[in-house]
Amino acid sequence: AQRVTQPEKLLSVFKGAPVELKCNYSYSGSPELFWYVQYSRQRLQLLLRHISRESIKGFTADLNKGETSFHLKKPFAQEEDSAMYYCALSLRTGNQFYFGTGTSLTVIP
Amino acid sequence: DAGITQSPRHKVTETGTPVTLRCHQTENHRYMYWYRQDPGHGLRLIHYSYGVKDTDKGEVSDGYSVSRSKTEDFLLTLESATSSQTSVYFCAISRTGTSYEQYFGPGTRLTVT
Repeated sequence: AQRVTQPEKLLSVFKGAPVELKCNYSYSGSPELFWYVQYSRQRLQLLLRHISRESIKGFTADLNKGETSFHLKKPFAQEEDSAMYYCALSLRTGNQFYFGTGTSLTVIP
Repeated sequence: DAGITQSPRHKVTETGTPVTLRCHQTENHRYMYWYRQDPGHGLRLIHYSYGVKDTDKGEVSDGYSVSRSKTEDFLLTLESATSSQTSVYFCAISRTGTSYEQYFGPGTRLTVT
């Protein structure tokens, strides 16, 4: 069963426009959710974790348990935000970590 | 980068040959993982390890085996490489404790011709 769904494979926005990358998950318990970013031909980097409620590079993500969503948002996109973004879910054990299929974000100058 | 390295970084091999990829970590983490990354599929777990000599299968384990004889090294072996195993392979570790987020190595780009 697909634990994490990212409905958009590709997303293009203009520089300065708001951006939202969608992530929905399926799990009835209390998961941990993360966003990872992968710049061109680089390793995946942890961007956000929901438990810390932090803002990194202007990105935020709120866990909505009612809608089982963890969408990633940024009010003003920058060209350097162009990358592949992955939503991920951990079931709080060492062997259960699930990734979505990723969304490729392109910020148009 | 959590002290994770992978070798080789690039490899081209022929169908039917065995291939071994190495993941090395310097921070003594218990959990290690091998993923493959393919367009349209995201990251898929191949195998993982929860300690020395303790390994288990992931979602796409067919055609792959792993070994972990030391805490710092986790090896992925393609027994007999096929073209469908052309992919980018990422190793990851999990920092257990308060959170289970994973940290990734730089990846190995494998091409099977």
